[in-house]
Amino acid sequence: AQTVTQSQPEMSVQEAETVTLSCTYDTSESDYYLFWYKQPPSRQMILVIRQEAYKQQNATENRFSVNFQKAAKSFSLKISDSQLGDAAMYFCAYRSSGNTGKLIFGQGTTLQVKP
Amino acid sequence: DVKVTQSSRYLVKRTGEKVFLECVQDMDHENMFWYRQDPGLGLRLIYFSYDVKMKEKGDIPEGYSVSREKKERFSLILESASTNQTSMYLCASNRSRGTSGYEQYFGPGTRLTVT
Repeated sequence: AQTVTQSQPEMSVQEAETVTLSCTYDTSESDYYLFWYKQPPSRQMILVIRQEAYKQQNATENRFSVNFQKAAKSFSLKISDSQLGDAAMYFCAYRSSGNTGKLIFGQGTTLQVKP
Repeated sequence: DVKVTQSSRYLVKRTGEKVFLECVQDMDHENMFWYRQDPGLGLRLIYFSYDVKMKEKGDIPEGYSVSREKKERFSLILESASTNQTSMYLCASNRSRGTSGYEQYFGPGTRLTVT
């Protein structure tokens, strides 16, 4: 069975600085998808970024980028130029390539952004 | 915009009551999911449905049942609520195929307290 581990329950960053959130996963599959979701306080969970395992190039979305290390089964999220609105809980998630769309989530990392 | 709505943001029920949590999505998605979110445990899948009247158990189905009579609606039922079911419940949906099929869209969550 696949597992996802986020070993940092809480992180903090100064506004305008860069922070990296860690995620490791375990799987025997070769084809899968990885995601970072953001859950702001009292607001809905939204997708931040997605990575297809077959793509070697790291995904980027504006100030958000990932460092995908397939062999090491590592999938970290880098947030550049952190903003107050980035404060949230971040979840790393794994999805097999089948079409049921089930996600396996990590424990979550709460990010605090200091002004 | 995809919209996933849940019937209540906050709910307080007594032990032994039958509880219904309703979820509706407006994007004609095939797949729908119910998760439970607890601190330090991330999101855990309770049940999911890949079609009307079809359902599969997730990782923690005990004490829960589901119903999907219409494509847009997925209900979570607590047959006899217990205090250990006090939690945040999140509904999500996605398509089973297509380039946009891999992102799950989440509802705002229902915070259930069982006393």
